[in-house]
Amino acid sequence: KNEVEQSPQNLTAQEGEFITINCSYSVGISALHWLQQHPGGGIVSLFMLSSGKKKHGRLIATINIQEKHSSLHITASHPRDSAVYICAAEEVKSGGSNYKLTFGKGTLLTVNP
Amino acid sequence: NAGVMQNPRHLVRRRGQEARLRCSPMKGHSHVYWYRQLPEEGLKFMVYLQKENIIDESGMPKERFSAEFPKEGPSILRIQQVVRGDSAAYFCASSLTPGSDGTEAFFGQGTRLTVV
Repeated sequence: KNEVEQSPQNLTAQEGEFITINCSYSVGISALHWLQQHPGGGIVSLFMLSSGKKKHGRLIATINIQEKHSSLHITASHPRDSAVYICAAEEVKSGGSNYKLTFGKGTLLTVNP
Repeated sequence: NAGVMQNPRHLVRRRGQEARLRCSPMKGHSHVYWYRQLPEEGLKFMVYLQKENIIDESGMPKERFSAEFPKEGPSILRIQQVVRGDSAAYFCASSLTPGSDGTEAFFGQGTRLTVV
């Protein structure tokens, strides 16, 4: 069974700071997902990656398959980035769906103006 | 093209009643996934459906819970005889294909079920 751990659980930053959220998992995976959830709101898929690095605007996600570790970075953070960030591991497929994910508990990010 | 639509957004049921949660996938998507987010816990996979088929229900409780995705209409997650422990946010997601080929899944806003 895959265990997905995120750190930190809570993170408070000042506007403009560089943010890093970490995610580690215990078994081999085919992909790692980063999701964003605003309080009381829906879930938005930010990234799905299986190797290397992806960038979208001020968001950067990296993954190290050998170390079973991924990071989500936010550059020039802004109060509107305040949300829960969730990583989810997609296990190696055996004919099933890639969305039978194992989720971390999330990191609550608060960016103060 | 509207996103994944879930309704109702909020649902209150008394213990013993039935809860029906609906999910309309994005246009053209035939793969639907349901997840549950219990208070203070992470999301957990419940079930994966294609049109008229349940592909993987390994995350679904064996009793009282059922899901369907008919040929026409939304996917339905049904909880019979609800108990307080069923109170949670239920999210569905849909995708065009199920493969790990870069296909993105789109999530709905969730239905927040409260059992009183």
